[in-house]
Amino acid sequence: GIQVEQSPPDLILQEGANSTLRCNFSDSVNNLQWFHQNPWGQLINLFYIPSGTKQNGRLSATTVATERYSLLYISSSQTTDSGVYFCAVDAGKSTFGDGTTLTVKP
Amino acid sequence: DAGVIQSPRHEVTEMGQEVTLRCKPISGHDYLFWYRQTMMRGLELLIYFNNNVPIDDSGMPEDRFSAKMPNASFSTLKIQPSEPRDSAVYFCASSPLLVNYGYTFGSGTRLTVV
Repeated sequence: GIQVEQSPPDLILQEGANSTLRCNFSDSVNNLQWFHQNPWGQLINLFYIPSGTKQNGRLSATTVATERYSLLYISSSQTTDSGVYFCAVDAGKSTFGDGTTLTVKP
Repeated sequence: DAGVIQSPRHEVTEMGQEVTLRCKPISGHDYLFWYRQTMMRGLELLIYFNNNVPIDDSGMPEDRFSAKMPNASFSTLKIQPSEPRDSAVYFCASSPLLVNYGYTFGSGTRLTVV
């Protein structure tokens, strides 16, 4: 099946810093989504982005499907951004990466 | 809309007992997904439905697991008999389409089998 690799596995930031999370996938995909799992376990959909660039406030995402990667940018990070960020792809079957655990310190 | 509603939020049961997890998707969403999250295996897709019909159940780990969707507003995931290794958080998600729309997840059911 398709392989999904996220990096870095862990990231610690000071409040106000910017960060880039990466998702590499091993085959062509029909769709790609980014999720945030907050410290209470809730999974929130951030972006549906099989290709191109999208922005939502301080967050933006870019997927380069031909090169099989996606990037999630977080600018001016806040403590509420802490949690785990997952990339999920669909190549006939939904597959999640292992996530990037982000800790934003005040 | 109240979002995807799962019940119960927490379930503790003894090994060998039957467990039923419930999910109400967002009205108008044609797709419903069941996922399991564990530390060892991460988030895994168990099964998904389109218009109440199971499309792919290849992720269901064993015959002890079964899922049904009797109508557009209700789905169940049943484990019979339950085992300690089934302990996990089980999520339900729904989506209006398989493409162009993201998934909306419920709050999950934390299952502990002792």
